Amino acid sequence: SQQGEEDPQALSIQEGENATMNCSYKTSINNLQWYRQNSGRGLVHLILIRSNEREKHSGRLRVTLDTSKKSSSLLITASRAADTASYFCATDRDDKVIFGPGTSLSVIP
Amino acid sequence: DTAVSQTPKYLVTQMGNDKSIKCEQNLGHDTMYWYKQDSKKFLKIMFSYNNKELIINETVPNRFSPKSPDKAHLNLHINSLELGDSAVYFCASSQDQGWDGYTFGSGTRLTVV
Repeated sequence: SQQGEEDPQALSIQEGENATMNCSYKTSINNLQWYRQNSGRGLVHLILIRSNEREKHSGRLRVTLDTSKKSSSLLITASRAADTASYFCATDRDDKVIFGPGTSLSVIP
Repeated sequence: DTAVSQTPKYLVTQMGNDKSIKCEQNLGHDTMYWYKQDSKKFLKIMFSYNNKELIINETVPNRFSPKSPDKAHLNLHINSLELGDSAVYFCASSQDQGWDGYTFGSGTRLTVV
């Protein structure tokens, strides 16, 4: 079974708005990662947050982690058309990194 | 220079054929992986090699056989291709077990007709 699941499955926003994606997982983790996948491309590592961290920033990205709720969120501020992509969370389980099914984000110019 | 490169990018073949996908990384990483992404974009790990040694072998048909001649290369050979093998196959690499993140190749889209 999947370790992490993103929510929503699809999200459509106007350029300039903020986009929030959530990830829930089932078992305890050491860290959680977020990746982006543009259409027809491989996944690109965005940010990693460790289990003892609550929030992390990277440019327009903000990731939070709530281990008590077993959930994480990825916030993209001031979205751009180039942010249109699928976003995946990945968690560690049984010495493997397991990816969720992803959130498809469309940013409309 | 491409960090993780896989070839070919597209592969169209008939059922029953045997095909190979090659992957090379120039990052000096210890661990390499093969992932399969289905039409719903779900990524499933298939194999993982650390320094040429197989460390993860998920429930994958025996028709799939990975080969790692050295730690910079991990190839995937598929025998007797079936329609259900159609997917995008991604190679990735990481230092150690990937806790600091993976670097992915751009994928090979395999279509079995």
